[in-house]
Amino acid sequence: DTGVSQDPRHKITKRGQNVTFRCDPISEHNRLYWYRQTLGQGPEFLTYFQNEAQLEKSRLLSDRFSAERPKGSFSTLEIQRTEQGDSAMYLCASSVRTLAAQAGTQYFGPGTRLLVL
Amino acid sequence: AQKVTQAQTEISVVEKEDVTLDCVYETRDTTYYLFWYKQPPSGELVFLIRRNSFDEQNEISGRYSWNFQKSTSSFNFTITASQVVDSAVYFCALSESGSYNTDKLIFGTGTRLQVFP
Repeated sequence: DTGVSQDPRHKITKRGQNVTFRCDPISEHNRLYWYRQTLGQGPEFLTYFQNEAQLEKSRLLSDRFSAERPKGSFSTLEIQRTEQGDSAMYLCASSVRTLAAQAGTQYFGPGTRLLVL
Repeated sequence: AQKVTQAQTEISVVEKEDVTLDCVYETRDTTYYLFWYKQPPSGELVFLIRRNSFDEQNEISGRYSWNFQKSTSSFNFTITASQVVDSAVYFCALSESGSYNTDKLIFGTGTRLQVFP
């Protein structure tokens, strides 16, 4: 049973550089989420995909952030011109909604820890 | 607005003690889902339980039990006979359906549990 995977696990970058993270969801899950978690806080929602369509974005997602899920499978999250405030753990989760329209359980990947110097 | 409050920032217990983690939520939805996740030092969020708003039955799974009370908007989590391996940050979360049935999770700030031998 393969869970959600994320790559890289850790990323150190200099302010102003661009970074890209990848998430591979559980294979039969059509829903994919990105969250951001800063130290001492709970994860905060960033964006949501149903298949390849990005249906919701948080106000936290500034225009320096872009996310894609080109074929409805893996997803990438890119941050352009990184700032020190972007330092956080970026978590990906996937789920599947049942026919009864119940909220599926979101299963999380190990996260990508970003440090912007 | 949707909100989850975990008033206990940190709890320390000695092994074999019972411990209860509190969670209070606010929502305007009539149908909603509540979750508990565990985040060990490795950082990965591990799903523990999902409960829908129509099911107020308490649940027990091994040493874990959950008490859901709609009247007080609470969904508390008890660990019986705690063990050192239970040491982690525990998050309570509420799913928000949203415009696109996003089911994004609203997390509390977490409770850090330390179990000492």
